Amino acid sequence: QSVLTQPPSASGTPGQRVTISCSGSGSNIGSNTVNWYQQFPGSAPKLLIYSSNQRPSGVPDRFSGSKSGTSASLAISGLQSEDEADYYCAAWDGGLNGYVVFGGGTKLTVL
Amino acid sequence: QVQLVQSGAEVKKPGASVKVSCKASGYTFTSYDIDWVRQATGQGPEWMGWMNPHSGDRGYAPKFRGRVTMTRDTSVSTAYMELTSLTSDDTAVYFCARGLRPGRWLPGDWGQGTLVTVSS
Repeated sequence: QSVLTQPPSASGTPGQRVTISCSGSGSNIGSNTVNWYQQFPGSAPKLLIYSSNQRPSGVPDRFSGSKSGTSASLAISGLQSEDEADYYCAAWDGGLNGYVVFGGGTKLTVL
Repeated sequence: QVQLVQSGAEVKKPGASVKVSCKASGYTFTSYDIDWVRQATGQGPEWMGWMNPHSGDRGYAPKFRGRVTMTRDTSVSTAYMELTSLTSDDTAVYFCARGLRPGRWLPGDWGQGTLVTVSS
């Protein structure tokens, strides 16, 4: 049972805009920023969004993140077939002796 | 470029221990924390803990305290994660990851992963 809650699946057609949600609590998302990761089968997660809404260099601007209260969202616009992957959110939970919590993941299917 | 190269797959019997290595290159090893994260098949990632390679400070997730030890050898820019008293529930891919920035940041760059299989 993951601390952060994500829908298990999402889907869209090429060109569409898809949003994936991540719900937490005051001790994690409510108090800290959120990262989003993309993962393909058999590979390591790749950082997509950090500090809730920042993109690392090399990540297309089709990917965007936002946070409000105890929830965060990842939006993918202009959906492409190569976006089909698993997506995970992560955040710090707690203060000085805190730890990292992840969502259970959302499997994105491009129809 | 930043690279984290992990040791190869392991097969262990229940009750045994495993030690996974993570060799860093392309940056100053002692400037960025190393996190360890595991992922069982079909599951989300699970954070195990972190270590500061410069100071040796570390913190473990409550679930793993008493069973996990994270160490480093700065002379070879390598971090290690040892997990003891293995059970079948520990079968997973284990990743090391570098903090995005110096200091306590969420994971940015990841190693390729090490499959640990626990089976009698």
